[in-house]
Amino acid sequence: NAGVTQTPKFQVLKTGQSMTLQCAQDMNHNSMYWYRQDPGMGLRLIYYSASEGTTDKGEVPNGYNVSRLNKREFSLRLESAAPSQTSVYFCASSASGGFETQYFGPGTRLLVL
Amino acid sequence: SQKIEQNSEALNIQEGKTATLTCNYTNYSPAYLQWYRQDPGRGPVFLLLIRENEKEKRKERLKVTFDTTLKQSLFHITASQPADSATYLCAPAKAAGNKLTFGGGTRVLVKP
Repeated sequence: NAGVTQTPKFQVLKTGQSMTLQCAQDMNHNSMYWYRQDPGMGLRLIYYSASEGTTDKGEVPNGYNVSRLNKREFSLRLESAAPSQTSVYFCASSASGGFETQYFGPGTRLLVL
Repeated sequence: SQKIEQNSEALNIQEGKTATLTCNYTNYSPAYLQWYRQDPGRGPVFLLLIRENEKEKRKERLKVTFDTTLKQSLFHITASQPADSATYLCAPAKAAGNKLTFGGGTRVLVKP
């Protein structure tokens, strides 16, 4: 039982390049989330998916797109990376949209030059 | 807009003492609040959840209180150990859905 896995662990991009961050969970959870974490800013929600087939914007969605590929997988795409998107990205999942706790992946460190 | 404040200064504490962390929120009426632990280079890990109708919750050496009048939650680590050194995040949430809003976290350093 791997929990929540993320790939890649670390990535360096040049301004304007695109990339997709992958996330998968094996806990049969309905809800999945993408956060970014910057020093002193805490975790900020980018997008979330309450269930398979649905996605909604979070607090900071600009510059990102998401795809809920199936119940297990939720990807985050940067179409044209900007230095302001340099951050650590965390994927999380929860059983459903109730009081359940969220389980986080190990994170992806992204540096945009 | 809603705001969540945690002490950004690190808390240095001697082993065996009680560490007390504060989470204050404004313009917000959360139905429940969660606390997470985050170690360097890792994702947050859930510790405790407390609902608005609960005054206190305990788990082993951890205790959380929730005062909806003061709009504050306190997180206590009793008999602290060096292994408790980490950053602790509070995350209030409304009843609808499970969209957590995280505070900036407080780093705790327990010295032997």
